[in-house]
Amino acid sequence: DAGVIQSPRHEVTEMGQEVTLRCKPISGHNSLFWYRQTMMRGLELLIYFNNNVPIDDSGMPEDRFSAKMPNASFSTLKIQPSEPRDSAVYFCASSHPGTTYEQYFGPGTRLTVT
Amino acid sequence: AQSVTQPDIHITVSEGASLELRCNYSYGATPYLFWYVQSPGQGLQLLLKYFSGDTLVQGIKGFEAEFKRSQSSFNLRKPSVHWSDAAEYFCAVGEDYQLIWGAGTKLIIKP
Repeated sequence: DAGVIQSPRHEVTEMGQEVTLRCKPISGHNSLFWYRQTMMRGLELLIYFNNNVPIDDSGMPEDRFSAKMPNASFSTLKIQPSEPRDSAVYFCASSHPGTTYEQYFGPGTRLTVT
Repeated sequence: AQSVTQPDIHITVSEGASLELRCNYSYGATPYLFWYVQSPGQGLQLLLKYFSGDTLVQGIKGFEAEFKRSQSSFNLRKPSVHWSDAAEYFCAVGEDYQLIWGAGTKLIIKP
């Protein structure tokens, strides 16, 4: 299996620009998580999808952040407009039916907003 | 709400020496406990898990962890570390559908 795929791996953008991060979960997995990791705040859960439906988005920082999962094999996390404080590593993780705790992480997208 | 504490921000161990990383949790019932590892520049990978039964669990890469209810602990151990074990280690507890994460412990290996 190819594992969780994320793109791009690195993104540098200017403040105010729109940023879109992409994720392809492992085939057969029905849960998908978006995380943000920073030195200051550690690993934060942003949003959780189950069977393509957003179940909990309470971790999304503010309205500038949005996430979609149009089908079982693709999800996006969009930041519009981006701000320097959004600079972080964003991870996507997926898990198979039966457990949401055994999560498989992608390699992450390192976002730098200048 | 549950919480997870990893008291050591970083630990330095000589290659070939034994390792123990500490993890304490707060939870009323029997918890679901996990250790994940994050190598530099990579995502997290599940090392091992505890759901119930035998309190000593074996994981990948030669790691093991022991659940001690009386101490609310789930410490990670390895008898002999290798340079490739240098990484950040995260303890987590399952709550509802999500994992509650510790802050992580960075393991540094001395040659």
